[in-house]
Parts: sequence; structure tokens; C-alpha cells
Amino acid sequence: AQSVTQPDARVTVSEGASLQLRCKYSYSGTPYLFWYVQYPRQGLQLLLKYYSGDPVVQGVNGFEAEFSKSNSSFHLRKASVHWSDSAVYFCVLSAPGYQNFYFGKGTSLTVIP
Amino acid sequence: DAGVTQTPRHEVAEKGQTIILKCEPVSGHNDLFWYRQTKIQGLELLSYFRSKSLMEDGGAFKDRFKAEMLNSSFSTLKIQPTEPKDSAVYLCASSFRGNTEVFFGKGTRLTVV
Repeated sequence: AQSVTQPDARVTVSEGASLQLRCKYSYSGTPYLFWYVQYPRQGLQLLLKYYSGDPVVQGVNGFEAEFSKSNSSFHLRKASVHWSDSAVYFCVLSAPGYQNFYFGKGTSLTVIP
Repeated sequence: DAGVTQTPRHEVAEKGQTIILKCEPVSGHNDLFWYRQTKIQGLELLSYFRSKSLMEDGGAFKDRFKAEMLNSSFSTLKIQPTEPKDSAVYLCASSFRGNTEVFFGKGTRLTVV
């Protein structure tokens, strides 16, 4: 069965520091993977997506993620965070040929000045 | 191009009432999803439509939750009767076809007292 685990419910970093949010998935094949961000009182917005090819994908606002089939991971990174990056980040999996999406529980990021 | 529109943004209902939430997907999208979001459970799928046909109705939510898609540009989610445990954010999302990027509305925050 497919599933997504985000092991860190909350992460706090200082402004200007680098960031990594972890995502592990369970799926036997090569999944489609997404990172979404949710700001307060907003819906989820797409940051980046991976379908195939280069395992490092670039997203909006300086975010990138790296797919690793051997580690079943899709970690999100940013070189230097800004206070406006404070939000909840969701890792999402979709299995090719299936319609549903599988969401992690989210990681709440707080950027302190 | 308009995104996913959800109305109302906030709803307060008394226990036992019937409420109807509304969603207009992105024009031209074939897939429509209803999710319930809570801090404890995260995102849970309530219903999934493809080209107006109900594909999945989220098992555990069958009893009091009924989603309909009367035409390709409008969907409703009826909760009848409401219970306090239904207090949550209800998100509507749409995508062009399975596995591709999903666009989310801003959600309806439901409070049942």
C-alpha cells in the first residue's frame, strides 16, 4: 500500500539558515511526488513536482527536492530561508495508473528572525 | 484564469443541521476531490469525481456525507446531520487528469456547535 511519512511535525530554523524537510514514501514502483505549501487560512499550493528524469527538481521561491529511489525519499531543501517561508509543507505521492493522492501529515515550519 | 473557488469560507452550524458546501473547479479540469483537513488526521479523502462520475466516496464518510457533481463546473458537499466532530476545514481540489498537479481551493472552515 502507498503511504507518505513526514517524520518531523515541527521544524524551527533561523532566517537565512538552510532547510531540509524530510519525506519518506512507501510504493513499490516509481511514484509521482509533489511538495505543497499551505499558508494560514489558505489552500495548498504546489511548490514542485517529480515525475521522472533528473532526481533533483527545482520549484518556486528557491525550493528544490531530491528524489531517491534507493532511500524511498523526496526531501525538500532551501539554501536560505526567509520569514515568509513559515507555513505547513506537505509531501504528496501519486501512483501512476491510480487516481488518488496520498498526503503526509505535514511539517510546520517556523522561521525565526 | 480562476482557480478553485469554494463557498462559503466559514460556516457555523448547530448540531443536527444540514449544511452544503460549494466548489467550482478550475475550468477544463476533469478530476475533482473533496478532502477534510484536521490537525490530528491530516487530509482525508471524502470523494473523488472523474468527468462528473463518482469514483471514490471515502468509505468511512458515507453515512452523513454526500458529494455531488451536477455539472463539470460545480460540486456540492452535503453533511447531514452535522455533528461537533465534523468541525474541520473542507478542501476542494481539481486536476486536469489523474496524477497531474492538483489545484486546491482556500477551503471552508466548518464549526459545529
